Amino acid sequence: EDQVTQSPEALRLQEGESSSLNCSYTVSGLRGLFWYRQDPGKGPEFLFTLYSAGEEKEKERLKATLTKKESFLHITAPKPEDSATYLCAVFTSGTYKYIFGTGTRLKVLA
Amino acid sequence: GAGVSQSPRYKVAKRGQDVALRCDPISGHVSLFWYQQALGQGPEFLTYFQNEAQLDKSGLPSDRFFAERPEGSVSTLKIQRTQQEDSAVYLCASSLLGQLNQPQHFGDGTRLSIL
Repeated sequence: EDQVTQSPEALRLQEGESSSLNCSYTVSGLRGLFWYRQDPGKGPEFLFTLYSAGEEKEKERLKATLTKKESFLHITAPKPEDSATYLCAVFTSGTYKYIFGTGTRLKVLA
Repeated sequence: GAGVSQSPRYKVAKRGQDVALRCDPISGHVSLFWYQQALGQGPEFLTYFQNEAQLDKSGLPSDRFFAERPEGSVSTLKIQRTQQEDSAVYLCASSLLGQLNQPQHFGDGTRLSIL
C-alpha cells in the first residue's frame, strides 16, 4: 500500500537555526512529489514539485531534495514567518489521487 | 477571482441534515479535486473531476457523499444524512492541465461541524 510518512511531527526552532524536514514514501511508480505550506485556517499553498531522484528546487530560505525513498525540505536561517505546517504529497502512476503525509508543524521563535 | 473559492467557509448542521459545499475553481482549470482534512491530519482524497467527468470517486467515505461538476467549472460536494464523523474541513483544489502530476491550487476550505 502506498504510504507517506513525515517527521518530525512538530519542530521548534530559534530564528536563524537551520534544520530539515523529512518525507519518506513507499509507493509504486512515483510520478511526482509535492511540498505545500499550510497556515492555520487556510488551504495548502504550493511550494515545490520534484519528479526524479537527484532533483533539487530552491525558493528563498527553502530547498527541497528528492531521493528514491525520501525527500527533505531544508530551511536555512528560518524566520518567524516561516512558522506553518509543511505537507508532503505524492502522486503515483495508475491512480488519480494525491497521498498526503500528516505534516510537520514548524514553529520559529524570534 | 484569482484563486479557488469555497463557500460557505463555515457550516454547522445537526446530525441527519443534508449539506452542500461549493467550490469555484480557478477559471480554465481542467482538474478539480475534493479532500477531507481532519484536525492535525493531512488532506485525504475524496474525488477527482476532469472537466465534467468524475474519473475517480474511490475516496468518498460512503454513499451519503456525492459530488458533481455538471458544466466543468463549479463543483458541489453534497453530504446526505450527516453524521458526527463527517465533521472536518473540506478542501477543494484545481489544476490547469489534465495531467495529474501538476501542482494543485487549494481553496481555504469549508469547516463543517455536525452537532
